[in-house]
Amino acid sequence: DGGITQSPKYLFRKEGQNVTLSCEQNLNHDAMYWYRQDPGQGLRLIYYSQIVNDFQKGDIAEGYSVSREKKESFPLTVTSAQKNPTAFYLCASSNPLLTAGHQPQHFGDGTRLSIL
Amino acid sequence: KNEVEQSPQNLTAQEGEFITINCSYSVGISALHWLQQHPGGGIVSLFMLSSGKKKHGRLIATINIQEKHSSLHITASHPRDSAVYICAVRSVGDKLIFGTGTRLQVFP
Repeated sequence: DGGITQSPKYLFRKEGQNVTLSCEQNLNHDAMYWYRQDPGQGLRLIYYSQIVNDFQKGDIAEGYSVSREKKESFPLTVTSAQKNPTAFYLCASSNPLLTAGHQPQHFGDGTRLSIL
Repeated sequence: KNEVEQSPQNLTAQEGEFITINCSYSVGISALHWLQQHPGGGIVSLFMLSSGKKKHGRLIATINIQEKHSSLHITASHPRDSAVYICAVRSVGDKLIFGTGTRLQVFP
């Protein structure tokens, strides 16, 4: 079955350490997204990529970085510059040919990041 | 004030009850999504609608563009419906704006 795989499910980070969250999709979707979810808040867009080797900042990109070297992979790095990284991170993908605009259709199961 | 407001924030029900979750928004939109987030965190898209009403099994979603309001109804609720239900609107520029979610618990 096609879908989005995020790993790991739980991740712990020491202060000052960079960590990378994995997101892989086998849906052949061109567009991929990273969202952050905090208690009591709606999902907020961190970065998105509409095509390989291209990505754009979302609403809260500071302290994060991404790469899109392959269509199926969109890893997110949480850098030490992100002062409040504890959150739930969701990856999503969409096929712009099927949706009006680049909007997420499929979501991963998320990665919960915590600071030690 | 959030651009997308959901009510109630929390909802408990007995199995079999009819459930309504509301979503109001203050921006111009081209579409509205209802999403279901399972206790483990994964999200499933339930509906995308831009007018009228859609039905899938026991779930019904309606939208009133003039009133900027949408409702998600669950008929004959079941404990497996327990989840967080999220409303998201596609605003001008195709940006998705998410509500904070409604946590539903259905007890047997």
